[in-house]
Amino acid sequence: QKEVEQNSGPLSVPEGAIASLNCTYSDRGSQSFFWYRQYSGKSPELIMSIYSNGDKEDGRFTAQLNKASQYVSLLIRDSQPSDSATYLCAVNMPWAGNMLTFGGGTRLMVKP
Amino acid sequence: GAGVSQSPRYKVAKRGQDVALRCDPISGHVSLFWYQQALGQGPEFLTYFQNEAQLDKSGLPSDRFFAERPEGSVSTLKIQRTQQEDSAVYLCASSLGTQGQPQHFGDGTRLSIL
Repeated sequence: QKEVEQNSGPLSVPEGAIASLNCTYSDRGSQSFFWYRQYSGKSPELIMSIYSNGDKEDGRFTAQLNKASQYVSLLIRDSQPSDSATYLCAVNMPWAGNMLTFGGGTRLMVKP
Repeated sequence: GAGVSQSPRYKVAKRGQDVALRCDPISGHVSLFWYQQALGQGPEFLTYFQNEAQLDKSGLPSDRFFAERPEGSVSTLKIQRTQQEDSAVYLCASSLGTQGQPQHFGDGTRLSIL
């Protein structure tokens, strides 16, 4: 079992819809969680960080964290074609110092 | 200020050659990380520095891989006697240094071994 798991997709949604991306992690003691967006051929770009249970909203993005169930999700409202990218979930495991463990990423396609 | 800067952006080498990849972190960032990313995969941890100290090198795939950060700023990842399986994108990231701080990535070096 991988330490951080994501569905590889592609997840296809129509323009204007809500895209829901999910991530599960293995270490219950993890405290810090990040979502990165990666366009093809580009480097990962931080879009959200979340540390506490519940929801955190930033513009069209909402991160949701449930530590009891060991999952973190990212919702993108009013999806745009420019949101088409791979979304990487990253977790700071408690044994890992400052190192992040990444999932394999979910490819999102927003169709006009 | 400027983001994380990596050079070269692209590197092509013949199998058996040595290569050196450079990373210049965000000014003031104490922690520096190297990752390897294969096509269609998430980044895989290689090694990490806190200032000039290499605190974890557990992800380096073999003793052909070596990283240094002698003055606690610029870092170099060196790969000796390159093999075809070393072909990947090598990403560098930096952070402020306290646990839980987000990491910010450079544009990466795409390494192709012929």
